[in-house]
Amino acid sequence: QKEVEQNSGPLSVPEGAIASLNCTYSDRVSQSFFWYRQYSGKSPELIMSIYSNGDKEDGRFTAQLNKASQYVSLLIRDSQPSDSATYLCAVKYGGSQGNLIFGKGTKLSVKP
Amino acid sequence: NAGVTQTPKFQVLKTGQSMTLQCAQDMNHNSMYWYRQDPGMGLRLIYYSASEGTTDKGEVPNGYNVSRLNKREFSLRLESAAPSQTSVYFCASSATGNTEAFFGQGTRLTVV
Repeated sequence: QKEVEQNSGPLSVPEGAIASLNCTYSDRVSQSFFWYRQYSGKSPELIMSIYSNGDKEDGRFTAQLNKASQYVSLLIRDSQPSDSATYLCAVKYGGSQGNLIFGKGTKLSVKP
Repeated sequence: NAGVTQTPKFQVLKTGQSMTLQCAQDMNHNSMYWYRQDPGMGLRLIYYSASEGTTDKGEVPNGYNVSRLNKREFSLRLESAAPSQTSVYFCASSATGNTEAFFGQGTRLTVV
């Protein structure tokens, strides 16, 4: 069974703090990992992709991948109220033509 | 550039009625996906198509059929709608390889 696990939250952080979102996955051969943001009533939008071990930074966002531990995380620095959304972790299973499996999402609330 | 377009945006069906959800992408992507999203359940894969002419079952295929009409279009059919199929349905597409998926705006379906 292909699984992607996330804490459902809600995760509440004060404005300006670092938000840390975590995800684990079950298939060791997975190569592609994605973080999507979804505002209420909207479709998911990609914010980060990561393919190799280590950190990848893009503005206030940092994705971290540890394939040995089957763990992906997303850090949001200087959190803003506009970051309040549900964050979905996604893993591509079955190689480059495989399917994309999502976790249930973590709801983040950034308090002014 | 429209990206991924889904029709309709909203639909109400009576139990037992049939309907087809349409999805088209203009990004020349090979892979296309259908997901449903229910509260607290995240995005669950119904069917996906790795390339024109191929389709595969995802996590929750029962009660649905799909057609990959050509490279651009991937439709989802409910033959006999049930209240359990009340959900928000998302279509997505991605290029071949370990690349991200892009989502349509979703179809909110209610079965009464």
